[in-house]
Amino acid sequence: AQTVTQSQPEMSVQEAETVTLSCTYDTSESDYYLFWYKQPPSRQMILVIRQEAYKQQNATENRFSVNFQKAAKSFSLKISDSQLGDAAMYFCAYRSATQGGSEKLVFGKGTKLTVNP
Amino acid sequence: EAQVTQNPRYLITVTGKKLTVTCSQNMNHEYMSWYRQDPGLGLRQIYYSMNVEVTDKGDVPEGYKVSRKEKRNFPLILESPSPNQTSLYFCASSPGIQGSPLHFGNGTRLTVT
Repeated sequence: AQTVTQSQPEMSVQEAETVTLSCTYDTSESDYYLFWYKQPPSRQMILVIRQEAYKQQNATENRFSVNFQKAAKSFSLKISDSQLGDAAMYFCAYRSATQGGSEKLVFGKGTKLTVNP
Repeated sequence: EAQVTQNPRYLITVTGKKLTVTCSQNMNHEYMSWYRQDPGLGLRQIYYSMNVEVTDKGDVPEGYKVSRKEKRNFPLILESPSPNQTSLYFCASSPGIQGSPLHFGNGTRLTVT
């Protein structure tokens, strides 16, 4: 079974600075998808970024980018120019691309990000 | 507006009193799922459904039931709630397309006393 590990329960960053959240995963599959979700205090789950494992190019969405290292099974999220609104819980998630294996997202336990003014 | 709608947002109940949390999506998604979120444990899947009349257990199905009679609705039923089911619950849906991200509802905070 796949597992997702977020080794940093909490992180903090100064406004306008850059922060990187770590995520590692364990799988024997070669084809899969990875996601970062943001959960602000409103508790809504918001998709931040998506990465396809067969694409070597790292995904980017405005100030958010990932460093996807397939061989190392690492999928870190970089937030540039941090803003107060980035304060949230961030979850890394894995979804299989295999028929019969894609029925769920496997989530990490989350990293709580604080942004200091 | 494309969305997943869960109701209620907050629910306080007593042990043993049957309850239903509703979930509806207006995006014509084939796949729907329920997760519970607990501090320090992340989100864990309870049940999922790949299409109408097709449901299956996730990682933590004990004490829960679901049904998928219509494509848009996927209610979560707790026949006899217990305090260990106090949690934040999320319904989610996605198209039947490989690698699609999940679209989440706004969550239901359930407290069982």
